[in-house]
Amino acid sequence: KQEVTQIPAALSVPEGENLVLNCSFTDSAIYNLQWFRQDPGKGLTSLLLIQSSQREQTSGRLNASLDKSSGRSTLYIAASQPGDSATYLCAARDNYGQNFVFGPGTRLSVLP
Amino acid sequence: EPEVTQTPSHQVTQMGQEVILRCVPISNHLYFYWYRQILGQKVEFLVSFYNNEISEKSEIFDDQFSVERPDGSNFTLKIRSTKLEDSAMYFCASSEETGQVVLPQHFGDGTRLSIL
Repeated sequence: KQEVTQIPAALSVPEGENLVLNCSFTDSAIYNLQWFRQDPGKGLTSLLLIQSSQREQTSGRLNASLDKSSGRSTLYIAASQPGDSATYLCAARDNYGQNFVFGPGTRLSVLP
Repeated sequence: EPEVTQTPSHQVTQMGQEVILRCVPISNHLYFYWYRQILGQKVEFLVSFYNNEISEKSEIFDDQFSVERPDGSNFTLKIRSTKLEDSAMYFCASSEETGQVVLPQHFGDGTRLSIL
């Protein structure tokens, strides 16, 4: 059964800093992995989707990498801004089904 | 940009009552999903739906739950006899998948269900 973990659970950084969020999964037979952002009381906003055949995806200041062999994905945020403050979730979809298994999230605070 | 919409945003129901949560997926999407998030816990998969039938469901999705696409636009989750532990945020999602291309799931803002 797929298990997804994320470290750190919470992170506080000053504005302008580059940062890395980590996601680990136990079953390397994943179909794809998606990173989401969740603002308090809100739904999930899709940030990046990495297919199992890809190593990374980029969108603006965000870069997500995937290393299936080590069971890890990272989300790199460049030049962080206070508006980036949110909870970031990663979710892995395995080869066997339709659903995503979510990590617990990293709560990011970017201080002005 | 098209989005997934969910109604109501907050539903308060007495324990034992039936509740229906509604979702309007993005119009050209073919796959539909329900997830839930109990306060302070992980997002959990409930069910996926494709071609008018359930394609996958989790252990959480027991006989008390059902899903339906009653018309061309709505996708509903029904809980027959609610329990206190059903209190959670329920998210609907949809995705467009064609052949080998898998596209991201898009989520609605959720319905907060409170069981009294």
